[in-house]
Amino acid sequence: NAGVMQNPRHLVRRRGQEARLRCSPMKGHSHVYWYRQLPEEGLKFMVYLQKENIIDESGMPKERFSAEFPKEGPSILRIQQVVRGDSAAYFCASSQTQGTSTGELFFGEGSRLTVL
Amino acid sequence: AQSVSQHNHHVILSEAASLELGCNYSYGGTVNLFWYVQYPGQHLQLLLKYFSGDPLVKGIKGFEAEFIKSKFSFNLRKPSVQWSDTAEYFCAVNAPLTGGGNKLTFGTGTQLKVEL
Repeated sequence: NAGVMQNPRHLVRRRGQEARLRCSPMKGHSHVYWYRQLPEEGLKFMVYLQKENIIDESGMPKERFSAEFPKEGPSILRIQQVVRGDSAAYFCASSQTQGTSTGELFFGEGSRLTVL
Repeated sequence: AQSVSQHNHHVILSEAASLELGCNYSYGGTVNLFWYVQYPGQHLQLLLKYFSGDPLVKGIKGFEAEFIKSKFSFNLRKPSVQWSDTAEYFCAVNAPLTGGGNKLTFGTGTQLKVEL
């Protein structure tokens, strides 16, 4: 049973380029979360999506960042015009149920973005 | 808004030593509490979780944690660590999102190194 799949695992971009990070949730999971981990910091919540809907994006920077979870295909976290401060590990997680019945999130291995 | 504090950023222990990692949270409502572990090069995995009931929770690999409501704490313990416990440990608190789902707020993590 495949877990949460993220790709690419490592991505290098120059300042001003675009970064696209993809996440396929676990089979049967319809809830996707994106977290960002900066050096020496914990994981910071960015956005929570269900199929075709953004439920909570309170942790997303207001500019350059966007996320989607289409009806078909993986969830995409898109960063436009990247800057050096975007260099971080981006983790995707999924869960099966809505609400707090279990609370457990299943994480992918992360995508490490380096901006030169 | 909820927050999580982990007091120790780096811990070095010898094999067979006892471990206790501190975690304090702030949140006004009912909380669900988690400890996740990230082994080198791997994704985050759930160690244990507390929802209700017995405040002493036992998890995988001999880990346990105690929820002390009056102290807003959820410390992680293991009586005798092994070299294979070398990893980063994250405490997290769950607060329900308005639209449903589970938003985990993480601490900054504790890097544990176990020496032979």
